Amino acid sequence: SQQGEEDPQALSIQEGENATMNCSYKTSINNLQWYRQNSGRGLVHLILIRSNEREKHSGRLRVTLDTSKKSSSLLITASRAADTASYFCAFILDSSYKLIFGSGTRLLVRP
Amino acid sequence: NAGVTQTPKFQVLKTGQSMTLQCAQDMNHNSMYWYRQDPGMGLRLIYYSASEGTTDKGEVPNGYNVSRLNKREFSLRLESAAPSQTSVYFCASTPGLSWRVDYGYTFGSGTRLTVV
Repeated sequence: SQQGEEDPQALSIQEGENATMNCSYKTSINNLQWYRQNSGRGLVHLILIRSNEREKHSGRLRVTLDTSKKSSSLLITASRAADTASYFCAFILDSSYKLIFGSGTRLLVRP
Repeated sequence: NAGVTQTPKFQVLKTGQSMTLQCAQDMNHNSMYWYRQDPGMGLRLIYYSASEGTTDKGEVPNGYNVSRLNKREFSLRLESAAPSQTSVYFCASTPGLSWRVDYGYTFGSGTRLTVV
């Protein structure tokens, strides 16, 4: 399968703690993206990192990309109950028009 | 609000029935996509349309057909529904092909389809 793998599958933390999710993929990519999906809703684009970038920040989000290890991580700092959602990595394969999704991490932030 | 609109939101079909899922975007995007999401899984690409007048297969096209009616609308048709097609279907759009320019996808809120 070309799909990415994410771990952990589920994560439960206390409000105020940091949450880290990891994504691994198998082939060369153009860019890697992270999306959030609230229960029963569509996906919302959070952040994109290009294959020639190593780290990117957006508000409380920090994304890293290690192309040699074919992996990425998403860090959410100072988590809030409203961050409770499923998080998916997604990537564009080299010379492809297709956005391929990982299996997702379910994050629960306890008040 | 600008974005991607999908209809219907919910649908129950009997095996063998046909239906068309509708998707429209008002952001003047060139590229549109159909994905399905099964419980506990990520999204899998069914079909996409890089630009008006073109369509191509994704990862799981079997059992589906698509029509890019115009720049705004991209429909997904199930000719003979099967229980394996029970899923949540999402439509998405981008200004253009994502490997050329870096931007995220805009998704609709989904159609929850059950085939009995």
